[in-house]
Amino acid sequence: KAGVTQTPRYLIKTRGQQVTLSCSPISGHRSVSWYQQTPGQGLQFLFEYFSETQRNKGNFPGRFSGRQFSNSRSEMNVSTLELGDSALYLCASSLASGITYEQYFGPGTRLTVT
Amino acid sequence: QKEVEQNSGPLSVPEGAIASLNCTYSDRGSQSFFWYRQYSGKSPELIMSIYSNGDKEDGRFTAQLNKASQYVSLLIRDSQPSDSATYLCAVKGTSGSARQLTFGSGTQLTVLP
Repeated sequence: KAGVTQTPRYLIKTRGQQVTLSCSPISGHRSVSWYQQTPGQGLQFLFEYFSETQRNKGNFPGRFSGRQFSNSRSEMNVSTLELGDSALYLCASSLASGITYEQYFGPGTRLTVT
Repeated sequence: QKEVEQNSGPLSVPEGAIASLNCTYSDRGSQSFFWYRQYSGKSPELIMSIYSNGDKEDGRFTAQLNKASQYVSLLIRDSQPSDSATYLCAVKGTSGSARQLTFGSGTQLTVLP
């Protein structure tokens, strides 16, 4: 079974631009969560989507948004990019939304903001 | 106080030894506990999950959970150089913002040949 895929793998953007990242979960998985990983803050939760609905949201500004499609694929968008948004953005999928469901990570998208 | 705390290390053990990685958490309502391994430049890989007090073994890995002490650990027996990585402890609770995975900062493990 194929794992979680994320596109693009690497991205360089300029301050003020916006970016859209894509995530395809493991086949049959209906929950997708997004995380930001930086050397200083570690892994931080952005949001979770299940059945096209946002189920949970982390403590990030409104510039960060996401959505999920009927095939469970998910996108996240960051508008008005700031230098501090440079990070590894990770998507994780699980069978469903709930505390016992294990999450499996994709390879990540490395975003650099200049 | 951070919600999930791990010794940042680095932790060095000789090949063949037991590596012990520790994690404490602050939310008593936490219900699910996970260990991820992350190689440099790669994404986290799930290696163990544990939900009940006690030990859970999977090959060379043993996860131990003590909810009363709010403590979870990972033992790696017969450590190999390929185990050298950062190990992330993650916790999931049942209410509000705790329902997502909250990660510790990770422990960097080096297994010396």
